[in-house]
Amino acid sequence: KAGVTQTPRYLIKTRGQQVTLSCSPISGHRSVSWYQQTPGQGLQFLFEYFSETQRNKGNFPGRFSGRQFSNSRSEMNVSTLELGDSALYLCASSPHGRGTGELFFGEGSRLTVL
Amino acid sequence: DAKTTQPTSMDCAEGRAANLPCNHSTISGNEYVYWYRQIHSQGPQYIIHGLKNNETNEMASLIITEDRKSSTLILPHATLRDTAVYYCIFGAGGTSYGKLTFGQGTILTVHP
Repeated sequence: KAGVTQTPRYLIKTRGQQVTLSCSPISGHRSVSWYQQTPGQGLQFLFEYFSETQRNKGNFPGRFSGRQFSNSRSEMNVSTLELGDSALYLCASSPHGRGTGELFFGEGSRLTVL
Repeated sequence: DAKTTQPTSMDCAEGRAANLPCNHSTISGNEYVYWYRQIHSQGPQYIIHGLKNNETNEMASLIITEDRKSSTLILPHATLRDTAVYYCIFGAGGTSYGKLTFGQGTILTVHP
């Protein structure tokens, strides 16, 4: 069974630009969560989607947004990039409709903002 | 946010058992204890979780104290590939909606 796939794996942007990251969950998984990981703040929860609906949201500004498609694939978007947005962005899927803590993570998309 | 306390780092000899402790004194009755690990530059990997009873799977064993305020993750025969950051987390199972609150974790180094 294929794991969680994230694209792109690496990308470089400049301040003020926007970026879209993609996540394909494990087949059959309908819950998708997004996390940001930085050396200073560690792993922080961004948001979670299930059946195209955002069910939970972390404490991030409105520049961070996401969506989920009918095939459970998800995208997250960061607009007006800031230097502090440089991070590893991780997507995780869950086999349980109620989104339990048993999450399966992808390898992440490493974003560098210059 | 749910908070756990773990040692910053631990060492273990290859082939020996690695016992990683975690304190979660504010855990409530319906909250599960989860363990994840993250090997450098990879996404976190789920290891095991439990509510009240001790649990075992092919990767590890989880021992939860009777008062549920602490737990220990046991890797029975540590290998070099077990070198990673280990996170102990607790959350309300089916209502957490994908949200896990990660702390700083324990850096486990397995030595030859």
